[in-house]
Amino acid sequence: DAKTTQPNSMESNEEEPVHLPCNHSTISGTDYIHWYRQLPSQGPEYVIHGLTSNVNNRMASLAIAEDRKSSTLILHRATLRDAAVYYCILRDVVEYGNKLVFGAGTILRVKS
Amino acid sequence: NAGVTQTPKFQVLKTGQSMTLQCAQDMNHEYMSWYRQDPGMGLRLIHYSVGAGITDQGEVPNGYNVSRSTTEDFPLRLLSAAPSQTSVYFCASSYSVGIEAGEMNTGELFFGEGSRLTVL
Repeated sequence: DAKTTQPNSMESNEEEPVHLPCNHSTISGTDYIHWYRQLPSQGPEYVIHGLTSNVNNRMASLAIAEDRKSSTLILHRATLRDAAVYYCILRDVVEYGNKLVFGAGTILRVKS
Repeated sequence: NAGVTQTPKFQVLKTGQSMTLQCAQDMNHEYMSWYRQDPGMGLRLIHYSVGAGITDQGEVPNGYNVSRSTTEDFPLRLLSAAPSQTSVYFCASSYSVGIEAGEMNTGELFFGEGSRLTVL
């Protein structure tokens, strides 16, 4: 499985945008980029995913580099409820199922 | 809509005891999986299933058994509990994705609330 590299932790001020980076230099052409987050004492929840083009949904935006070796999850206005561990995961579209391998993720702290 | 339901939420076992963690989903998902999460770490995949009657091992399968007799249920069995199995366990389900799935859905994995297991 191709690996991802994320900073251990990041800090943001409330109401400001947050850019969470992810490096995946060994990504293959059949890998989707997925982001999940885990709030304290809860199971992970899906945030967004993409393949080549930038993606937007109600929770966040995903910006994917042209060479696909890196991506950035963008939270447009951080709130205290966005404090969580954010995981960047690659999923091979060829493989049937949905086996996701979680790394350590980035701990996002939001200051009021 | 209940989603993914795990029971029990908390359990304390003695070394050598056996138990089953239950997981049920009501979304007709083909894919189900079990993860464990140790303090300060990410989730590690234990076992997964792409449909009834089909199971496979993940990263850390030793000491755990699974079966998938129905689409809805995916129990995780600890045959002889060890202190190293003290952890929080998460069950997750989704529609299967991939080229063979025949349609491109989000592949959103839905997680249960977790089961906290302590082995003394």
